[in-house]
Amino acid sequence: EVQLVESGGGLVQPGRSLRLSCVASGFPFDDYAMHWVRQAPGKGLEWVSGITWNSGDIGYADSVKGRFTISRDNAKSSLYLQMNSLRAADTALYYCAKGSGAAYWGQGTLVTVSS
Amino acid sequence: EIVLTQSPATLSLSPGERATLSCRASQSVSRYLAWYQQKPGQAPRLLIYDVSNRATGIPARFSGSGSGTDFTLNISSLEPEDFAVYYCQQRSNWPPRLTFGGGTKVEIK
Repeated sequence: EVQLVESGGGLVQPGRSLRLSCVASGFPFDDYAMHWVRQAPGKGLEWVSGITWNSGDIGYADSVKGRFTISRDNAKSSLYLQMNSLRAADTALYYCAKGSGAAYWGQGTLVTVSS
Repeated sequence: EIVLTQSPATLSLSPGERATLSCRASQSVSRYLAWYQQKPGQAPRLLIYDVSNRATGIPARFSGSGSGTDFTLNISSLEPEDFAVYYCQQRSNWPPRLTFGGGTKVEIK
């Protein structure tokens, strides 16, 4: 069974940093691209960042480019999102999703940026 | 950058009725067009991938169609559990990128 478990969310002040993690199980993690997708309270889905299986290609939404860094550790079946210079607009539930087409999603970790 | 526009924003229907949801792209997209269902407090669930393929475990009442810039999700006969928000999505693989539509809420009339 595919499982994706996100962690690392919390309340953080504007301008500070946070690192999200997603631990995967139930599939060969190093065979799949992975994505981070977020959802602000009461809003729709917004893609944040994606990474290929070998970290050879990475993409970012314009809204986070230069502030967020995606990475992965295939040996640990883990995906990461380093978020710097956080803004109130980054407040959202952050999901990790499996595969280039995001076929499976975790339950998300909530990031709240507020002073 | 491709923009996906979903319509209508809200669809008010009764159980047993047919639902037709539209997703229009700002430019022609590949066959990588997917549909998701999201219920309150839950993560999105993949329904349809590559325009018309049902994901594992998805009932046959869900079907997808379309090409180019116009895509449709049909629910042939609404069950009580189908009232939810639906998103379309397109992807590129290199670089890895996803684009989502704004969503259509299917609510009970």
